[in-house]
Amino acid sequence: GQQLNQSPQSMFIQEGEDVSMNCTSSSIFNTWLWYKQDPGEGPVLLIALYKAGELTSNGRLTAQFGITRKDSFLNISASIPSDVGIYFCAGQLGETSGSRLTFGEGTQLTVNP
Amino acid sequence: DGGITQSPKYLFRKEGQNVTLSCEQNLNHDAMYWYRQDPGQGLRLIYYSQIVNDFQKGDIAEGYSVSREKKESFPLTVTSAQKNPTAFYLCASRETGLGYQPQHFGDGTRLSIL
Repeated sequence: GQQLNQSPQSMFIQEGEDVSMNCTSSSIFNTWLWYKQDPGEGPVLLIALYKAGELTSNGRLTAQFGITRKDSFLNISASIPSDVGIYFCAGQLGETSGSRLTFGEGTQLTVNP
Repeated sequence: DGGITQSPKYLFRKEGQNVTLSCEQNLNHDAMYWYRQDPGQGLRLIYYSQIVNDFQKGDIAEGYSVSREKKESFPLTVTSAQKNPTAFYLCASRETGLGYQPQHFGDGTRLSIL
């Protein structure tokens, strides 16, 4: 089946630094999603990407849908302490509700004030 | 408030016992999903339902059962056949029919063995 490799597994940064994480897949996706999960809570959608090559921003977050449709990255600029959490990428091939999301294993982000 | 409500927040299971996790949504979404999350891992799909009275197995359905008798409700039963049930369980839903709409998640239920 499809697999997503997300890296890095963890990051320890100072407040104010920029962060970059990425996901690569062994096969193509038509949609890439980025979620953030705080401890003990469910993932919250950050950015959705629907088109190869698309670059989308949401405040300090920027994500890109790779042109090969097999990868995506998420950048966080000027990190703040509330950016702490686990970031997941997810890919989906189809548009129907039966088309499954495949999740990466997450990037644990720690921001030191 | 519109959203997805999972209950209880914490649940404990005795050996040989079945337990049921609740998931309710008032978003009028047709599709609902159950995922299992283990420490340091991504989410794995247990079951999903595209419409009332219909559901399909995901990647790790063994030891679990679901029902979808109402559009807003998709309860998950963890049966005694699931030998390693300790995990964080997440329910999600999404709107269908108007192009692609992402899944949105509840706040999870943490299940532990007594």
